[in-house]
Amino acid sequence: DAEITQSPRHKITETGRQVTLACHQTWNHNNMFWYRQDLGHGLRLIHYSYGVQDTNKGEVSDGYSVSRSNTEDLPLTLESAASSQTSVYFCASSESGLDRTSYEQYFGPGTRLTVT
Amino acid sequence: GESVGLHLPTLSVQEGDNSIINCAYSNSASDYFIWYKQESGKGPQFIIDIRSNMDKRQGQRVTVLLNKTVKHLSLQIAATQPGDSAVYFCAENTDRDDKIIFGKGTRLHILP
Repeated sequence: DAEITQSPRHKITETGRQVTLACHQTWNHNNMFWYRQDLGHGLRLIHYSYGVQDTNKGEVSDGYSVSRSNTEDLPLTLESAASSQTSVYFCASSESGLDRTSYEQYFGPGTRLTVT
Repeated sequence: GESVGLHLPTLSVQEGDNSIINCAYSNSASDYFIWYKQESGKGPQFIIDIRSNMDKRQGQRVTVLLNKTVKHLSLQIAATQPGDSAVYFCAENTDRDDKIIFGKGTRLHILP
């Protein structure tokens, strides 16, 4: 069965370190998204990609970067981790194209990141 | 699991009763809406969607109502069960791109 996975599921890091969170999907979706979820804020979009070599900034992109070298993966990098980036991070993917039936996004299980 | 919203509005419903979760959206150009369910420690899971050319859509035990005049969306869950306990999010899309914008969510608490 197709799925979307994230690793690690939990991560503790120190302020100033570079951290990369992995996202891998086997849906063969062109669209991939990264969100962060904090108390009282719901899901906020960090970065997204509509295909290989395509990346776009979302609502809260400062301090984060992504790269898309293949269809399956969209790693999220925190260049220099800050305590304000302590959060739960979710990756999602969705269909693209004019013949798509919905905008439904399929979510991974999340990564809980703590920056100390 | 992770706590996703200690400060979220909470709806408490007796088991077996119907639940109605409401969502107000702000973008009058939005023409596609989704309801997601998020259980503790998990990612959001699709429940049902509706396009703006409809005002009602039914699924299994769930109904979504859309009132474009007042920019209001609701999710009705029939015969609420303990497994319905979760945070529910509405999300919208304007069809200009493939992004969806999430609301802040409502926690549904089931009373025994």
